[in-house]
Amino acid sequence: QQQVKQSPQSLIVQKGGIPIINCAYENTAFDYFPWYQQFPGKGPALLIAIRPDVSEKKEGRFTISFNKSAKQFSLHIMDSQPGDSATYFCAASMPDKLIFGTGTRLQVFP
Amino acid sequence: EAGVAQSPRYKIIEKRQSVAFWCNPISGHATLYWYQQILGQGPKLLIQFQNNGVVDDSQLPKDRFSAERLKGVDSTLKIQPAKLEDSAVYLCASSVDRLGLGYTFGSGTRLTVV
Repeated sequence: QQQVKQSPQSLIVQKGGIPIINCAYENTAFDYFPWYQQFPGKGPALLIAIRPDVSEKKEGRFTISFNKSAKQFSLHIMDSQPGDSATYFCAASMPDKLIFGTGTRLQVFP
Repeated sequence: EAGVAQSPRYKIIEKRQSVAFWCNPISGHATLYWYQQILGQGPKLLIQFQNNGVVDDSQLPKDRFSAERLKGVDSTLKIQPAKLEDSAVYLCASSVDRLGLGYTFGSGTRLTVV
């Protein structure tokens, strides 16, 4: 019940495409859903996050869509760029608990 | 603002040897976390400290792993003796409080056990 399922495992898009990464959770006690971006040799860095009382959040080219009834959320990257190539992790959080998904390796080709 | 500092960046040891990792959190961050990230997987929490007390160490293999945060600031994570399956990146993170405000990761220590 503490798992966060993430798909796909890897994603290849061309520059300008809109990659979509999906996550699902079971525990309704989670109250904060961050996305992390990780470049090789670096730790994960917070990209964008949402709370379950909103259905969508946009920050620049990154958008989270949240479906509370389905217990699913997704990350959309608009107008993707080669610099977006990284591994993306969704996560689900409550006080003293941050559970990561398994990660999606995104490659954006020029 | 300085980030979370970790050292060393890389370590290669033989199985059954011991190794220690060091973490210096962001100033003022009371909560400190150690994660293990195996290649191709998401980070897995090993231990969480609040100041110098342990909040959660349920996933720490206590027969070989130990961690301390004696003065409520820096922390060390030790493995003794190391096994091949301990090869991973060990990430330290810190946050202002247990709610996770300001959650920030360090760059990690890549451990290879041969």
